[in-house]
Amino acid sequence: RKEVEQDPGPFNVPEGATVAFNCTYSNSASQSFFWYRQDCRKEPKLLMSVYSSGNEDGRFTAQLNRASQYISLLIRDSKLSDSATYLCVAPTGGSYIPTFGRGTSLIVHP
Amino acid sequence: NAGVTQTPKFQVLKTGQSMTLQCAQDMNHEYMSWYRQDPGMGLRLIHYSVGAGITDQGEVPNGYNVSRSTTEDFPLRLLSAAPSQTSVYFCASRFLTGNQPQHFGDGTRLSIL
Repeated sequence: RKEVEQDPGPFNVPEGATVAFNCTYSNSASQSFFWYRQDCRKEPKLLMSVYSSGNEDGRFTAQLNRASQYISLLIRDSKLSDSATYLCVAPTGGSYIPTFGRGTSLIVHP
Repeated sequence: NAGVTQTPKFQVLKTGQSMTLQCAQDMNHEYMSWYRQDPGMGLRLIHYSVGAGITDQGEVPNGYNVSRSTTEDFPLRLLSAAPSQTSVYFCASRFLTGNQPQHFGDGTRLSIL
């Protein structure tokens, strides 16, 4: 089993829709989690950190479920500009080696 | 504050040639890493370092060498380029302690003919 798994999608949604992605991780000792956004083979850019208590930043909400070992990203009121690949990150190898999922592709259409 | 700087941005090599991809960061990050990204494969860790003088292998280290003589620099060397090493290479860095995210460079697009 891959250590960090994501549904590759693509998720094809209309503008204004709410969309959610999940990401499962295998290292139960993981402490720090992140969501990154990547546009068309450009460098990944940090979207948000995922805290135990959840994290909200405008239209974006990240949640952590330790019991089931997954993190989620919720995007409300989707914009065309949200079209990108979303990468989740969980640490492996003793907690400081970040492992990336393969990414979930989001396409927001008019 | 330049962040993570990678050079060159693009490179074309012939099979068998060697070259060094440069990565420098000015944030005093202890942890630095190199990834390659291929279509459908996601980011795969090549090598990483937790401080000057310390390096270790990641998921796909074969054909690559690294060194970390200073905190700022983490060059990646291709010993004898092969077409299978055609990829986009990203360097990233972070503070080692605390729940800190990685910061990425712009990437180097490498083609091996």
